[in-house]
Amino acid sequence: GAGVSQSPSNKVTEKGKDVELRCDPISGHTALYWYRQSLGQGLEFLIYFQGNSAPDKSGLPSDRFSAERTGGSVSTLTIQRTQQEDSAVYLCASSDTTGLETQYFGPGTRLLVL
Amino acid sequence: LAKTTQPISMDSYEGQEVNITCSHNNIATNDYITWYQQFPSQGPRFIIQGYKTKVTNEVASLFIPADRKSSTLSLPRVSLSDTAVYYCLVGDMMDSSYKLIFGSGTRLLVRP
Repeated sequence: GAGVSQSPSNKVTEKGKDVELRCDPISGHTALYWYRQSLGQGLEFLIYFQGNSAPDKSGLPSDRFSAERTGGSVSTLTIQRTQQEDSAVYLCASSDTTGLETQYFGPGTRLLVL
Repeated sequence: LAKTTQPISMDSYEGQEVNITCSHNNIATNDYITWYQQFPSQGPRFIIQGYKTKVTNEVASLFIPADRKSSTLSLPRVSLSDTAVYYCLVGDMMDSSYKLIFGSGTRLLVRP
């Protein structure tokens, strides 16, 4: 079946502009996660959704970052007034909450802020 | 929150068995241990998951001692295509305030 998809695959923007990153999870997966991976670094947890609610937003780096999920499916991560330090790969994952979970990752969106 | 510690890098040769150990001294009762593999320019890919003792699947084995303060990912007879970064993950799968803690990752280089 279809895996997790993300769009765009690459995004180049200018400092100060807003960007929206989209994640389409695997159909039926109720949990959705956003991560950030800076060049050569490990994964940094950003936010977790269970259905449409986000029980844990503590990983969001600043109030410029926000995320929403509607209909228990697609999620959007928004970065306002982008800064150069926001440049990274943003990864989305989804999982099924029944039984043992594993997270299935999308290919990521590579964001470059000039 | 359970934090993990892994070796930064490991070298091996084709056909050898590779064992990567992860330390997680503060693992909680409900935490599971999961390992992921990541190739350059790709998202992480699930390898194996376990709670205690030994788990084996078609690609790897996971050894977890009784105190669960560490775990060892075992890759039998590695090939060049196993060159990747391997992440150890500890988390509570049933907790609604779930937060994943990824280790720093171990860069495995398999040489011919």
